[in-house]
Amino acid sequence: DQQVKQNSPSLSVQEGRISILNCDYTNSMFDYFLWYKKYPAEGPTFLISISSIKDKNEDGRFTVFLNKSAKHLSLHIVPSQPGDSAVYFCAASGDGGSQGNLIFGKGTKLSVKP
Amino acid sequence: KAGVTQTPRYLIKTRGQQVTLSCSPISGHRSVSWYQQTPGQGLQFLFEYFSETQRNKGNFPGRFSGRQFSNSRSEMNVSTLELGDSALYLCASSLGYLNTEAFFGQGTRLTVV
Repeated sequence: DQQVKQNSPSLSVQEGRISILNCDYTNSMFDYFLWYKKYPAEGPTFLISISSIKDKNEDGRFTVFLNKSAKHLSLHIVPSQPGDSAVYFCAASGDGGSQGNLIFGKGTKLSVKP
Repeated sequence: KAGVTQTPRYLIKTRGQQVTLSCSPISGHRSVSWYQQTPGQGLQFLFEYFSETQRNKGNFPGRFSGRQFSNSRSEMNVSTLELGDSALYLCASSLGYLNTEAFFGQGTRLTVV
């Protein structure tokens, strides 16, 4: 049973527009959520995180929104750039933010077209 | 500073064999975690070590084991390899145990034939 779900395997967006990647979770004990980006032949790279006590966290072009009642989070990338093309993984932790024991979604492949 | 180093990068093994993968964390990092990535299951947590102690373990059979040395380097071992063990094995290191960013290595691509 998947505890973290990314229901869209792929997303295609035009350069300059907004990319919205979605993630749902089932375990209410999760208290820390993260987004990772992965290029082919490389390990995942940490992008942005949010604690369950917040509903929004922003870092440059990247914003993560958390809706605890809906058990849903989303990553917004504005404006999208071709270099953002990668697989994005949503991850959750119930360990107070420990990134050593993460439950990952299966990823969404984002393609940003010039 | 140097990133997380995983060796070897690629490995081909036969069913029934055993394999050992190595991970050298970023200097000063004391926490090392291992993940398995497959196309069907995505990234799945294997285990986490901190100060030579296994802190967490994922839902994998006992054929998967690991350890951490006093210099924080870690190894994972898979015995009696099965075709389904073919995957990218990723190691991540972080400074401490809680609330610290994890940095991933490039992974070891294991193919079991």
